[in-house]
Amino acid sequence: KQEVTQIPAALSVPEGENLVLNCSFTDSAIYNLQWFRQDPGKGLTSLLLIQSSQREQTSGRLNASLDKSSGRSTLYIAASQPGDSATYLCAVIADDKIIFGKGTRLHILP
Amino acid sequence: EAEVAQSPRYKITEKSQAVAFWCDPISGHATLYWYRQILGQGPELLVQFQDESVVDDSQLPKDRFSAERLKGVDSTLKIQPAELGDSAMYLCASSSQGTGANVLTFGAGSRLTVL
Repeated sequence: KQEVTQIPAALSVPEGENLVLNCSFTDSAIYNLQWFRQDPGKGLTSLLLIQSSQREQTSGRLNASLDKSSGRSTLYIAASQPGDSATYLCAVIADDKIIFGKGTRLHILP
Repeated sequence: EAEVAQSPRYKITEKSQAVAFWCDPISGHATLYWYRQILGQGPELLVQFQDESVVDDSQLPKDRFSAERLKGVDSTLKIQPAELGDSAMYLCASSSQGTGANVLTFGAGSRLTVL
């Protein structure tokens, strides 16, 4: 059974720092992996989608990497800003199922 | 930009009452999902539709929950009777071709509080 883990559960960093969020999954036979952002009380906003054949995707200050063999993905946020404060979730897509991690709550300190 | 529409945004009800949520996916999206998200947890799939057919409802508590997508477009999720443990955010999402290469787009969610 596929399990998705996100560590740490919460993270606080000063504004301007670069940071990395981690996502690990137990079964490497995935189709793709998607990173989402969720603001308090809101729905999920898609950030990046990485196909299983890809190693990374970039959008602005965000870079997501995927290492299927080790069952890991990272979301790199450059030059963090207070507006980046939110919960970040990764979702693994495999066997027509989408499995979410519990998310990392990120707080950027002004 | 196309959006997934959900209503109501907020619902407060007493236990044992009936409650219904509505979702209108992005036009042309064949696959529709209903997720439940408890505070501090990741979303968990309740039901997945491909057009009007249920693809996966293995995690749907069928004694009290029902979902339909009669014309393969919008969908309704119903809970009857509601229980205290049903308090959560109910999220609807859609994609154009089912689980796979396509981006999953979520609505803003419907937050349910059961008193």
